[in-house]
Amino acid sequence: DVKVTQSSRYLVKRTGEKVFLECVQDMDHENMFWYRQDPGLGLRLIYFSYDVKMKEKGDIPEGYSVSREKKERFSLILESASTNQTSMYLCASSSTNRDKSYEQYFGPGTRLTVT
Amino acid sequence: AQTVTQSQPEMSVQEAETVTLSCTYDTSESDYYLFWYKQPPSRQMILVIRQEAYKQQNATENRFSVNFQKAAKSFSLKISDSQLGDAAMYFCAYRRRQGAQKLVFGQGTRLTINP
Repeated sequence: DVKVTQSSRYLVKRTGEKVFLECVQDMDHENMFWYRQDPGLGLRLIYFSYDVKMKEKGDIPEGYSVSREKKERFSLILESASTNQTSMYLCASSSTNRDKSYEQYFGPGTRLTVT
Repeated sequence: AQTVTQSQPEMSVQEAETVTLSCTYDTSESDYYLFWYKQPPSRQMILVIRQEAYKQQNATENRFSVNFQKAAKSFSLKISDSQLGDAAMYFCAYRRRQGAQKLVFGQGTRLTINP
């Protein structure tokens, strides 16, 4: 079974803090994604990566950065957390294998509160 | 840009009955995937069913089936014989077949099953 894990289920940080959200997948997937989930807005893509050290901006990258130093790990960084970044953050991964590339596998999510 | 719209924020159904969740999308592409994902309370998002746009036949997975109307850009999910375990947020999602694998999600529909 594909497993995507996230470092924390719940996180409370103060405004201005630097925040790291970690995601690890164990299926040797090439692609990894960070989404944020807000009520009434669904999931919106922040950043994605299709290879180690490669990254591309999604639809809402402002205020975030990412790091992918190893294939299995994709980190989301909030350089200076703000209250409008309070949200649920979901990590996902997928394969580029032609026969398996349609499905994204999601982690359990990190509910971040910035006070 | 592609957009996905779920116009029903909440739906409810009696156990053992049938319910249909609606989804419309907008794209200028001709080749793409459509998905329904399920997010149970406090649990990970999982794929329910997918449809490839080039296939005319509607996808079916056990009690879950879709009504894919390509010309109308409509993609509804039918759940037959609803069970208590079907209670969840349901998200409709779109992805281009070629190129970046990023998903575009709808706003979500919260489905309640009444015993």
